[in-house]
Order: sequence, then structure tokens, then C-alpha cells
Amino acid sequence: EVQLVQSGAEVKKPGESLKISCKGSGYSFTSYWIGWVRQMPGKGLEWMGIIYPGDSDTRYSPSFQGQVTISADKSISTAYLQWSSLKASDTAMYYCARQDSSSPRKIDYWGQGTLVTVSS
Amino acid sequence: DIQMTQSPSTLSASVGDRVTITCRASQSISSWLAWYQQKPGKAPKLLIYKASSLESGVPSRFSGSGSGTEFTLTISSLQPDDFATYYCQQYNSYLWTFGQGTKVEIK
Repeated sequence: EVQLVQSGAEVKKPGESLKISCKGSGYSFTSYWIGWVRQMPGKGLEWMGIIYPGDSDTRYSPSFQGQVTISADKSISTAYLQWSSLKASDTAMYYCARQDSSSPRKIDYWGQGTLVTVSS
Repeated sequence: DIQMTQSPSTLSASVGDRVTITCRASQSISSWLAWYQQKPGKAPKLLIYKASSLESGVPSRFSGSGSGTEFTLTISSLQPDDFATYYCQQYNSYLWTFGQGTKVEIK
């Protein structure tokens, strides 16, 4: 069974760093891209960036370039999203999702989401 | 980067209604277009991929059409479980963009 399991909810203060994770199982982790999506409270879905764990090819949305870092450790089938200095505006639900590297390149499995709350 | 414009933002409909949601891309994306359903507190669920391919397990009342820059999601007969928010997404070249979402409400 394909699963993407994300790390648990986080409560942080502004200025703190954070790294959340997304662990894949039930499929070949290095053959699928992993994308990250932000959903602020009551708002829509925003694409942040994507990584191909097979060779660490990483692409960012212009809106998030320089604001976050996406990485992956293929030895443990886990992708990461990290911040070096959180802001209150980073409060949101964050989802990971996998995308097939071969046609039809569908994005079919999503993690359950990680809620990040940034508050002083 | 590619922008996706989705309309309407809110739609009020009754059970049994035929519902259509439209998505327009700022440039051609061929057929690299997906539709998702999201319910409160849940991750998005894939309904349609490659513009018109129905994801396994998704009821056949959902259908997608279009190519290039104009796309449509149709629900042929709205069911109580379909009241949710729907998003289009382009995924050309492993770069994604979502539409703003359409909330389907009970009339």
C-alpha cells in the first residue's frame, strides 16, 4: 500500500528553525517526485516546490524560492521541508504529494498534512 | 510562471444538478491538468488527471475535458458527498500551479 506519512504538528516561535518530514512507503521512492503544498487557514492550495529523490533535482515556486529548503534522504525514503527563521505568516497546513516521473505524471497520493503554528 | 484562473469561486447547487467548473491557463499546458476535491481538514483527493482521465475509484459522474488553455470539470448529477471545494492544477514540466478553488455549496 502506497503511503506518505508526514511528521506531527509543530508549535514554534518566530525566528525559530523547523524541519518537517514526509516518509514514503509501498513504492519506489526514487522514481517519483515529491512536491510540497501550503494551505494557509481558510485559503487555497499553493505549490512551494518539488524534489526528485533519485538525483535531488529540486525546483521552487518563485514565491517560495529562498524562503524554504526542500531536501530528501533516499536511504530512508524521506523528503523534508525546512525553514531557517519562521514567521507568523508561515502558520499553515503543509502537504506533501508524490508525482509519477513517467507519463501520465499524475499526482495521486498525498500525505495527511503537517500543521505548523508560529506564534509568540 | 503559469497562472491558473478558476471560476466560479463559489457555486450553489442542489442534489441532482449538473455542475460545471472552468479553469483557464495563462499559456498552453497541453493536457497536464488535474482536478482535486478537498473536504475540510482533509488532504486533496485526485479526481481527474491528464485533463480527462478518471482516477481509479472516482465515480463516473465526474468528468474532465479540454486541452491547451481551457479546461472543464463536470459533475453530471451532484450527490450529497460532492459538497466540497474543487481545485484545478497544472503540472507541466514538474512545476505546479493551482487554481483559486471553487466551493460547491448546498442551495
